[in-house]
Amino acid sequence: DAKTTQPTSMDCAEGRAANLPCNHSTISGNEYVYWYRQIHSQGPQYIIHGLKNNETNEMASLIITEDRKSSTLILPHATLRDTAVYYCIVRVATNTGNQFYFGTGTSLTVIP
Amino acid sequence: GAVVSQHPSRVICKSGTSVKIECRSLDFQATTMFWYRQFPKKSLMLMATSNEGSKATYEQGVEKDKFLINHASLTLSTLTVTSAHPEDSSFYICSTPGTSTYEQYFGPGTRLTVT
Repeated sequence: DAKTTQPTSMDCAEGRAANLPCNHSTISGNEYVYWYRQIHSQGPQYIIHGLKNNETNEMASLIITEDRKSSTLILPHATLRDTAVYYCIVRVATNTGNQFYFGTGTSLTVIP
Repeated sequence: GAVVSQHPSRVICKSGTSVKIECRSLDFQATTMFWYRQFPKKSLMLMATSNEGSKATYEQGVEKDKFLINHASLTLSTLTVTSAHPEDSSFYICSTPGTSTYEQYFGPGTRLTVT
């Protein structure tokens, strides 16, 4: 089962920062937080991941609270192409592989 | 990054027939592949874990005799939907951890429509 909760949908104005929250209050100490996004009828695309430090790459920034019970994905300058469903995932590591259990995700709509 | 392909991208079949979906890793060896199913406007649901050279591990509630998984080589895993019915119509996606334990690479998905 998914270990994350996210708002169902959000809107963001084009050019503004999009801040997508995620709660993962039962996260374990060795579990990472991953963010993926899915544009309609495509496979999920990796965005970023982190353990406890804030992370930044060319796509986004990930802010993880000190207690690790929640995180925020930040798209600094949202464009229309960022309209997608964004999934926050806590990675469960098992001896058969690192399964990802997806939650419901947040449907982000970037408005012109 | 690693590339994962799926074939076919779309398939329409008649009720009662079987359909095979292929998932290939294009530039690395994938000892483990995962299969997901996604219904319209819903999230991805993990169906099974496919391990090269051994039997797949199915998630609770997924019928192993209906969704046959074969992972005969390090670059190919197949999912066969047997005796398909309209309720099996869905978007099927595979993924693999690739060469790093920190990442997972997803295929583009296969849209199955059963008429």
